Amino acid sequence: QQQVKQSPQSLIVQKGGISIINCAYENTAFDYFPWYQQFPGKGPALLIAIRPDVSEKKEGRFTISFNKSAKQFSLHIMDSQPGDSATYFCAASRDAGGTSYGKLTFGQGTILTVHP
Amino acid sequence: DVKVTQSSRYLVKRTGEKVFLECVQDMDHENMFWYRQDPGLGLRLIYFSYDVKMKEKGDIPEGYSVSREKKERFSLILESASTNQTSMYLCASSYSLRGTYSSYEQYFGPGTRLTVT
Repeated sequence: QQQVKQSPQSLIVQKGGISIINCAYENTAFDYFPWYQQFPGKGPALLIAIRPDVSEKKEGRFTISFNKSAKQFSLHIMDSQPGDSATYFCAASRDAGGTSYGKLTFGQGTILTVHP
Repeated sequence: DVKVTQSSRYLVKRTGEKVFLECVQDMDHENMFWYRQDPGLGLRLIYFSYDVKMKEKGDIPEGYSVSREKKERFSLILESASTNQTSMYLCASSYSLRGTYSSYEQYFGPGTRLTVT
């Protein structure tokens, strides 16, 4: 059972354009929503994360938009650059302070290609 | 600098072999995780450990076991490798929750690409 659904599977954007990747979740107990970025030959690395008490978080060119009622969140990459070409994973975790041990449920991944 | 290392980048094994994948972290993290990554399926949790000698099953534990005898080392064991276990295996580690959400951050190793023939 896939609890976090991510789309699209792949995305091609021109340099300077906006990249948008969407995720939807089912479990309303999720309380932490990170995005991980993975370059070829490397492990994923945390890019940006949001909690459900805010609707948006921005770090440089990267923004997470969060819609709690719709159970959806998205990553926006402004002014996309060829160096942003990577695989992006959304994820979700639940039960802060409980016994989840920070386990993450990942989406299926999006391969982003930014053309020069 | 944070570091998670995995014993091999590439591994080729035969069906039925016992396979050991090793992961070492140098950050004194309590939690360690093993995932497999497959195209179109994302990262799926196999097992995780929240303390030495403690382990819990993830979403896809069948055909795998783990061992954590020391805090810094977490091993994934394929008791009898099968072709459907051909995949990229990723190890990660994190601190236990300490009252801030930043403690959820997982640090990943570079992965081991395992091929079972």
